[in-house]
Amino acid sequence: NAGVMQNPRHLVRRRGQEARLRCSPVKGHSHVYWYRQLPEEGLKFMVYLQKENIIDESGMPKERFSAEFPKEGPSILRIQQVVRGDSAAYFCASSPEQNNQPQHFGDGTRLSIL
Amino acid sequence: SQQGEEDPQALSIQEGENATMNCSYKTSINNLQWYRQNSGRGLVHLILIRSNEREKHSGRLRVTLDTSKKSSSLLITASRAADTASYFCATGKAAGNKLTFGGGTRVLVKP
Repeated sequence: NAGVMQNPRHLVRRRGQEARLRCSPVKGHSHVYWYRQLPEEGLKFMVYLQKENIIDESGMPKERFSAEFPKEGPSILRIQQVVRGDSAAYFCASSPEQNNQPQHFGDGTRLSIL
Repeated sequence: SQQGEEDPQALSIQEGENATMNCSYKTSINNLQWYRQNSGRGLVHLILIRSNEREKHSGRLRVTLDTSKKSSSLLITASRAADTASYFCATGKAAGNKLTFGGGTRVLVKP
């Protein structure tokens, strides 16, 4: 079974552009989570989605950030009008339906804003 | 400060020695998980311990959980150079199991 796949691995954008980060969860996993990690820090929760629904977006900035997990296709984290402070590693994780299950992480997308 | 604080922030040991790191948290939890992260990579799940469990083993790893003190420890026995990584604890609550991570412990195992 393939693990969580994220692409691209590295993304460079200029200030004001849009960044789209993709995440394909482990096959059969219906829960997807997005986290952000700054250098030398732990991961910070952003958003939790189940198929077609946002369950918890309490960690995601209200402006410029959006996330989706459509019925078909990968989950997308979209950042509009990027600023230098958006530079970070963005990790996606997935877990199965059952509670108390570990999350499986992708290798992340490293976003650099010029 | 945030939920899930690791201590120490950095640890340097010789191969063969044991490595112990601690994690404290603030609110009630459903489970506590330990992850490892190698440089430039994603997190690899090590152990999940539920709030009604006190100790768990997996190979050379031993995790304890003390809910009265809101703390957990991760012990790596007979460390190897390949154990060099950052180790994070993360707490999960029942609803959705989103994880709250600490800042991590950076472990260097010298050959």
